[in-house]
Amino acid sequence: DQQVKQNSPSLSVQEGRISILNCDYTNSMFDYFLWYKKYPAEGPTFLISISSIKDKNEDGRFTVFLNKSAKHLSLHIVPSQPGDSAVYFCAASANTGTASKLTFGTGTRLQVTL
Amino acid sequence: NAGVMQNPRHLVRRRGQEARLRCSPMKGHSHVYWYRQLPEEGLKFMVYLQKENIIDESGMPKERFSAEFPKEGPSILRIQQVVRGDSAAYFCASSQQGRHTGELFFGEGSRLTVL
Repeated sequence: DQQVKQNSPSLSVQEGRISILNCDYTNSMFDYFLWYKKYPAEGPTFLISISSIKDKNEDGRFTVFLNKSAKHLSLHIVPSQPGDSAVYFCAASANTGTASKLTFGTGTRLQVTL
Repeated sequence: NAGVMQNPRHLVRRRGQEARLRCSPMKGHSHVYWYRQLPEEGLKFMVYLQKENIIDESGMPKERFSAEFPKEGPSILRIQQVVRGDSAAYFCASSQQGRHTGELFFGEGSRLTVL
């Protein structure tokens, strides 16, 4: 049962343009969402997060949008840079009393081309 | 380096052998999590531990897998009698607090290959 879904396994974007990565979830108990970035042979690194009480959170070139009614969130990167090329994982957690137990999507591989 | 430290980075075992993966959390962190990433998949939660306690092991396979986080020393994920399906990247993460909105800091992972 895939509770967090990233339906696009890969995405290619030209440098300077906007990258939009999408994520859907099915568990209505999720109330905190995160994006992690992962380079090959490294661990995931935290990028940005959003609480379910918000619909947008921005940090520099990165913005996360949350549409609770659609159970959908997206990560916007603008402008995209070659160093952004990595696998991006969407993750979610629920306040069930267990701390920081994240449910991850399968990832989207972003390639930023020159 | 004050980050999450995992070792070994790569481990090769033959079927039936034991694998031990170690994780030292970030300084000041007392919450440790183990995740597994199978090829072409996302990370899957295995177990959450605090010092000397297993808090949530709902993601651990029922047999052959165990985890501990002793009072002194690193957390250890132990896989007995490994099979080819255990080949994966095992990531450890730590957090400072037990809140579900707490950020997890991940190590670089231990890649287990079972021959």
